[in-house]
Amino acid sequence: KNEVEQSPQNLTAQEGEFITINCSYSVGISALHWLQQHPGGGIVSLFMLSSGKKKHGRLIATINIQEKHSSLHITASHPRDSAVYICAVRERGAQKLVFGQGTRLTINP
Amino acid sequence: DAGVIQSPRHEVTEMGQEVTLRCKPISGHDYLFWYRQTMMRGLELLIYFNNNVPIDDSGMPEDRFSAKMPNASFSTLKIQPSEPRDSAVYFCASTPGGDRAQTFGSGTRLTVV
Repeated sequence: KNEVEQSPQNLTAQEGEFITINCSYSVGISALHWLQQHPGGGIVSLFMLSSGKKKHGRLIATINIQEKHSSLHITASHPRDSAVYICAVRERGAQKLVFGQGTRLTINP
Repeated sequence: DAGVIQSPRHEVTEMGQEVTLRCKPISGHDYLFWYRQTMMRGLELLIYFNNNVPIDDSGMPEDRFSAKMPNASFSTLKIQPSEPRDSAVYFCASTPGGDRAQTFGSGTRLTVV
């Protein structure tokens, strides 16, 4: 079993829909990261969180430390949100990241 | 700030050849990471450095892979000899450490034929 599990692996939705991507992990962590990767593109850090909730524009990330679970939400989704979203955790006392397999999101106009 | 700079962007080489990937981290970032991304395995950590010293190289696949960081502004990842299964995108990232996020370079797409 992977230390970081994401669901779903693939998600297709219509423009305007509310999107949720989930991430579960099995180790104690100091922080959880959500990353975005566009096709053929580089990796951009969207959020880093260790508790509660963060919001940036139409993106919201939440984390429940007790349940070892995080969600990434996209409101009013747009075709430009189409990308792979990757959850990664930083274990306590470490700097390295352990990655989920990613969720491929496609938003159709 | 130019971000993390990787070169080359693309590399096509023949099996058996030596390949060298290069990375310049953001100035002032004490940590540098090398990752490999494949369709099958996703993103994996190969090795990371703190203040130019290798801290964890447990992800380096085998002796054909080596990484160096001769100074705070430059690192290399070398594959010798290269094999087709090494074909992947290799990312470099850096961070000041602590609670700061990592910044990724644009990656090097390596194809070994």
